[in-house]
Formats: sequence, C-alpha cells, structure tokens
Amino acid sequence: QLQLVESGGGVVQPGRSLRLSCAASGFSFSSYPMHWVRQAPGKGLEWVAVISYNGADIYYADSVKGRFAVSRDNSKNTLYLQLISLSSEDTALYYCARAADYDFLAGFDHWGQGTLVTVSS
Amino acid sequence: DIQMTQSPSSLSASVGDRVTITCRASQSISTFLNWYQQKPGKSPKLLISTASRLQSGVPSRFSGSGSGTDFNVTITSLQPEDFATYYCQQGYGVPLTFGGGTKVEIK
Repeated sequence: QLQLVESGGGVVQPGRSLRLSCAASGFSFSSYPMHWVRQAPGKGLEWVAVISYNGADIYYADSVKGRFAVSRDNSKNTLYLQLISLSSEDTALYYCARAADYDFLAGFDHWGQGTLVTVSS
Repeated sequence: DIQMTQSPSSLSASVGDRVTITCRASQSISTFLNWYQQKPGKSPKLLISTASRLQSGVPSRFSGSGSGTDFNVTITSLQPEDFATYYCQQGYGVPLTFGGGTKVEIK
C-alpha cells in the first residue's frame, strides 16, 4: 500500500530554519519525481518544488527560491525540504506528493497527510 | 508564469444537479491540465489528468474536457460525497500552478 508520511513541522520563529521529511513506502520511490505542495490555512494549493527521480533536476516556485532546498535519499526512500529564513507567509500545511508519471510535469497522484509549519514569534 | 483562473469561486447546488466548473489558462497549455478534489481536513485527490483522463476509481459522473486555454470539469449528477473544493492545475511547465479553487456547497 502506497504511503507518504510527512514529519518535521512545528512552530518556529521568523528567520529560523526547519527541515521537513517525507517517508515513502509501497512503491519504487527511486523511480518517481517528487513534489512539495503547500496550503496556507483556509487558502488554496501552492506548488513549492519538484525533484527528479535521481535528484539531478530541481525546480522551485519563485516564492521560495533561494530559501528552500529540496533533496532526496533514495536509499532511505525519503524526501526532504529544508526551509530557511522563514517568514509568516510560509505558514502552511506542507504536503509531499508523488508525480503521477515518470515525468515531473505530470499531476500529483498520491499525497501525504501534510505537516503543519507555523511561523510565529 | 502561467496563471490559472477558475470560475466560479463557489457554487451552491443540490443533490442530482449537473455542475460545471471552468478553468482558464493565461496561455495555451495543450491538454496538460489536471483536476483535484479536496474535502475538508483531507489531502487533495487527483480526479482527472491531461484534461479528460479519469483516474482509476473516480466515478463516471465526473468528466473533463478542453484544450488550449479553456477547460471544464462536469459532475453530471451531484452526490453528497461530491461536496468539496475543486482545483485545476497546469502541467505544461514550471512553475506548476493551481487555480484558486471552486467550493461546491450544498444548497
């Protein structure tokens, strides 16, 4: 059974850092591009970043470029998102999601339950 | 960046109604358009990919159409479990972008 389980969220002060993890199981993690998508409280969905199956290609939303870093460890079936210089605008539920195909432009066919990041002093 | 505009932002409908949600892209995206359903407190669920391909397990009352810049998702006979928020998303290029969502509420 395919599962994506995010962790690492919490309350953090502005300007601080946090690392999110997404543990994958039930599929060949190393074959798929993986995404991070976030949703601010009561708001819509915002794509954050994508990493190709082997980590060679990475793209970010302009809103996080230079502050967030996505990575993966295929030996551990785990996806990561390093968040630095956090601001209140980064407060959101962060989802990891699998690309629906081997193409990272395909939709997101499986989602985790999300991990909540709250940036507050 | 490609902007995705959904309309309406919300609608009220009754069980059994036919409902259509529209999504417009700021430039042509061919059929690289996906639709998601999100229920309160839940993760989004992929309903339709590449504009019209129904995902496995999605009821046939859902259908998608369109190409270029204009797309629709239609629910032919709204069921109680369909009350949710629906998002379109373009997969034509990065940054990937979503529409603002359409909340389907019970009349």
